[in-house]
Amino acid sequence: DTAVSQTPKYLVTQMGNDKSIKCEQNLGHDTMYWYKQDSKKFLKIMFSYNNKELIINETVPNRFSPKSPDKAHLNLHINSLELGDSAVYFCASSLTGRTEAFFGQGTRLTVV
Amino acid sequence: GQSLEQPSEVTAVEGAIVQINCTYQTSGFYGLSWYQQHDGGAPTFLSYNALDGLEETGRFSSFLSRSDSYGYLLLQELQMKDSASYFCAVHNNAGNMLTFGGGTRLMVKP
Repeated sequence: DTAVSQTPKYLVTQMGNDKSIKCEQNLGHDTMYWYKQDSKKFLKIMFSYNNKELIINETVPNRFSPKSPDKAHLNLHINSLELGDSAVYFCASSLTGRTEAFFGQGTRLTVV
Repeated sequence: GQSLEQPSEVTAVEGAIVQINCTYQTSGFYGLSWYQQHDGGAPTFLSYNALDGLEETGRFSSFLSRSDSYGYLLLQELQMKDSASYFCAVHNNAGNMLTFGGGTRLMVKP
């Protein structure tokens, strides 16, 4: 009965590959997010998405794309992986009007 | 743009009180949140301030001064398990985006 779950927890892949990270929330939230946390622990917002609009952080390369099949899922697709994409990626969700965001356990992506 | 400043590291002893400061610059400010993250774990929500003043939740309290663009997290009766990174984060009116500071690593020593 995990609230926000991500798969896989670890992902090791070669440069140039395309990969996806899946995220599901069972909280009935209407907004989901992707964050990137680098080796210095900086948590950077990548995307915010609800059933009305996608908000993209303009610094995110267009190799990254969120895909939402329904309100409970927001997957992250990454094309042409680069070494600098190595980081921990967190999915999160919240309810409009509420301030608390719930985070998944993170996916540690290593590009070699 | 938006920016948040917080100290990178703080060290304190068990039983003590520690204050972690956060200053921010943002447009359309709604409120300030605090999150805790243990090594290898996910950020977890601690508190939220939308109005000036102090919010108390057990051993943790959070303060906000909107006029000074400043807030702090106060941790009392420190325990070893409080060793973690603490992030302030601003809510603004640009959608539901939540922007985090760089985090403060708190080390609690015996």
